[in-house]
Amino acid sequence: NAGVTQTPKFRILKIGQSMTLQCTQDMNHNYMYWYRQDPGMGLKLIYYSVGAGITDKGEVPNGYNVSRSTTEDFPLRLELAAPSQTSVYFCASRSGNTIYFGEGSWLTVV
Amino acid sequence: AQSVAQPEDQVNVAEGNPLTVKCTYSVSGNPYLFWYVQYPNRGLQFLLKYITGDNLVKGSYGFEAEFNKSQTSFHLKKPSALVSDSALYFCAVRDPVPSGGYQKVTFGTGTKLQVIP
Repeated sequence: NAGVTQTPKFRILKIGQSMTLQCTQDMNHNYMYWYRQDPGMGLKLIYYSVGAGITDKGEVPNGYNVSRSTTEDFPLRLELAAPSQTSVYFCASRSGNTIYFGEGSWLTVV
Repeated sequence: AQSVAQPEDQVNVAEGNPLTVKCTYSVSGNPYLFWYVQYPNRGLQFLLKYITGDNLVKGSYGFEAEFNKSQTSFHLKKPSALVSDSALYFCAVRDPVPSGGYQKVTFGTGTKLQVIP
């Protein structure tokens, strides 16, 4: 049981490039989330999903897209990277009232 | 709108002393409250939660938290701090009433706990 797994751990992007942050969980959780963490700002919800085929916007969705073709996978796509997207990204899944987080992906846009 | 406040950016405590990390919240209904810990370059790890019942909840690594409804607080405590407790601590509140199809979880901005040997 690996929990929530995110890749890559670290990535440097140039402005305008695109990339996908991968997230997978092996706990068969229906609810999955993408958060970004900025210094002194706590965690902000980007997108969430309540099950395969269903996604919805969180607090800060602009510049991102997601898909949920399977229960396990919830990738986050950045289409045109901007410096404002430099952040730490956390994928998470929920069972009952407990949220389980991945280890994080450190993204720098230069 | 729900909110969480962690009034202290950093808390310093000597090893062996009791520690308290403060959290206050605002939510329309009865709150679900959580504490998470984040070690450097790692994800958040669940420590404990309050859903209902006893106001004092016990969690991982000897931590506990006290729910105080009148003061809308959920302070994290530990009787005797360890150097290994040094980390970033996040309080979170979840409104059990869905808003837009989603039971929103709001995280505080985090408190850095530094335990001094």
